[in-house]
Amino acid sequence: KQEVTQIPAALSVPEGENLVLNCSFTDSAIYNLQWFRQDPGKGLTSLLLIQSSQREQTSGRLNASLDKSSGRSTLYIAASQPGDSATYLCAVLNTNAGKSTFGDGTTLTVKP
Amino acid sequence: GAVVSQHPSRVICKSGTSVKIECRSLDFQATTMFWYRQFPKKSLMLMATSNEGSKATYEQGVEKDKFLINHASLTLSTLTVTSAHPEDSSFYICSARDQLHEQYFGPGTRLTVT
Repeated sequence: KQEVTQIPAALSVPEGENLVLNCSFTDSAIYNLQWFRQDPGKGLTSLLLIQSSQREQTSGRLNASLDKSSGRSTLYIAASQPGDSATYLCAVLNTNAGKSTFGDGTTLTVKP
Repeated sequence: GAVVSQHPSRVICKSGTSVKIECRSLDFQATTMFWYRQFPKKSLMLMATSNEGSKATYEQGVEKDKFLINHASLTLSTLTVTSAHPEDSSFYICSARDQLHEQYFGPGTRLTVT
């Protein structure tokens, strides 16, 4: 059974700082890994999708990496802004599963 | 990115009544949709996987007779909470998966049962 862990559970940083969010998974037989952002009381917004054959994906100030062999993914946020404050979740889709497994998320607060 | 809509965004109903929530994929066909429930400050809890044209697959502990799911077309899935009770009050979120297996989420529906 796939288990997804996100560390830290909460993170508070000053504006402008670069930061890394971590996601680890126990079963490396994955199809893809997806990072989401959720604002309070809202649905999830897809940030980046990494296929199992890829090592990283970039979108603007965001960079996500994937290391299947070690069961890890990181989300790097450059030059953080107060608008980045949200909960970030990673989700892993296993090769033979029809559903994704979500981590509990990291709640990020960027202070002005 | 692809767009998934949910309707209604908020609903308040009386205990004992039924409520239907719609989930639509607006610009792609989704053979698979998912229904999640989220409690305050908690992560998503998968309730069921909705497959177009077949019965939904419910997660362990989810009452299929209470949470009726219908996926009648490639763009629409509905969740009906039957005989709602206050403990059913929650945030319900749907998602749809495209052919590349990327998930897109709806904005969620806040259900309050009084």
